[in-house]
Amino acid sequence: EVQLVESGGGLVQPGRSLKLSCAASGFTFSNYYMAWVRQAPKKGLEWVATISTSGSRTYYPDSVKGRFTISRDNAKSSLYLQMNSLKSEDTATYYCARHGVGRWFAYWGQGTLVTVSS
Amino acid sequence: DIQMTQSPASLSASLGETVTIECRASEDIYNGLAWYQQKPGKSPQLLIYNANSLHTGVPSRFSGSGSGTQYSLKINSLQSEDVASYFCQQYYNYPTFGGGTKLELK
Repeated sequence: EVQLVESGGGLVQPGRSLKLSCAASGFTFSNYYMAWVRQAPKKGLEWVATISTSGSRTYYPDSVKGRFTISRDNAKSSLYLQMNSLKSEDTATYYCARHGVGRWFAYWGQGTLVTVSS
Repeated sequence: DIQMTQSPASLSASLGETVTIECRASEDIYNGLAWYQQKPGKSPQLLIYNANSLHTGVPSRFSGSGSGTQYSLKINSLQSEDVASYFCQQYYNYPTFGGGTKLELK
């Protein structure tokens, strides 16, 4: 069974940094592209970052490019999201997701809440 | 960015009814479309990918169709466990989502 378990969320002040982690199990982690998707309270879904199988290629939307960094450790079956210069509009539940064979999101974690507020 | 417009924003239907949710892309996405179900307080779950392929374990009462810029999700014989929000997502380009459809029981 595919399992994705996020951690690292919490309350952080604007301008500060936070690092999220995602522990994966139930599949061969190194074979799949991985991603982060967020959802602001009572809002829709927004893709945040994607990383290739080896970690050599990363992709971001303009809203987080230059502030967020996705990375992975295939030996530990773990995914990370380093978030810098956080803004109030980054407040959301952050989901770790495994891509399918294509760029859909086949499996999702339970999410971790990040609140950016002074 | 490719914009995804979903309709309706909310929907009320009776048990056993057939429900259709629409998604329109701002340009041709060549069947690069997925549908997700999100129950209250839970994470999204994949239903459909490649516009019409059913994900593993998804009941056959769910189906997807469409092409070009227009796509739809159909739920046959609505069940109580189908009460949820539904989102479309295009992946022809960098992923973007529709605004969602909240489905309730009448």
